[in-house]
Amino acid sequence: SQQGEEDPQALSIQEGENATMNCSYKTSINNLQWYRQNSGRGLVHLILIRSNEREKHSGRLRVTLDTSKKSSSLLITASRAADTASYFCATAFGGAGGTSYGKLTFGQGTILTVHP
Amino acid sequence: SAVISQKPSRDICQRGTSLTIQCQVDSQVTMMFWYRQQPGQSLTLIATANQGSEATYESGFVIDKFPISRPNLTFSTLTVSNMSPEDSSIYLCSARGPGNTDTQYFGPGTRLTVL
Repeated sequence: SQQGEEDPQALSIQEGENATMNCSYKTSINNLQWYRQNSGRGLVHLILIRSNEREKHSGRLRVTLDTSKKSSSLLITASRAADTASYFCATAFGGAGGTSYGKLTFGQGTILTVHP
Repeated sequence: SAVISQKPSRDICQRGTSLTIQCQVDSQVTMMFWYRQQPGQSLTLIATANQGSEATYESGFVIDKFPISRPNLTFSTLTVSNMSPEDSSIYLCSARGPGNTDTQYFGPGTRLTVL
């Protein structure tokens, strides 16, 4: 199975601290995407990193990808109470022309709680 | 980016009945998908909704239980048939696109409770 694993399963921090979540997967991928889900609602897309990329930034988010270790990490800097949510990584296989087949396989998620 | 809406947002249904969930995308997209999220769990892909042809189902999911339609490039429906309490989940529609992007966007989900 391609399904990834995330750790920690739960993370509790204080506002202003950094939060790091890790994701591992089992086979070669085309890209890896990170999502946020608030209280069982829809998923918000955070960032996509391709297999030939090592690091990407978006605002307070930093994502790294190590294809040799089949792992990725999501760092949220200077966390806020509003960052409290579940965070999921999702991997996509490769398709023709460099794009993926599209369908995603999700990790189990990390529940992040940021205390004010 | 694509903006996706789903109807209904939630429903409570009786055992043995069926529910059809609608998914509307604000632009034409190449691929649409349906996922299930059981309580406290991660997301599992049900099927890829193919425009103008039968959906492609993942292992463990069958057309008789989860018939899917996709009549055009912006709309899809998922029916949960002959429901049982084990079908209580959040059902999410997603779309890849518009354009030649790998980014996949999700709808707000439909929270289904089966009594």
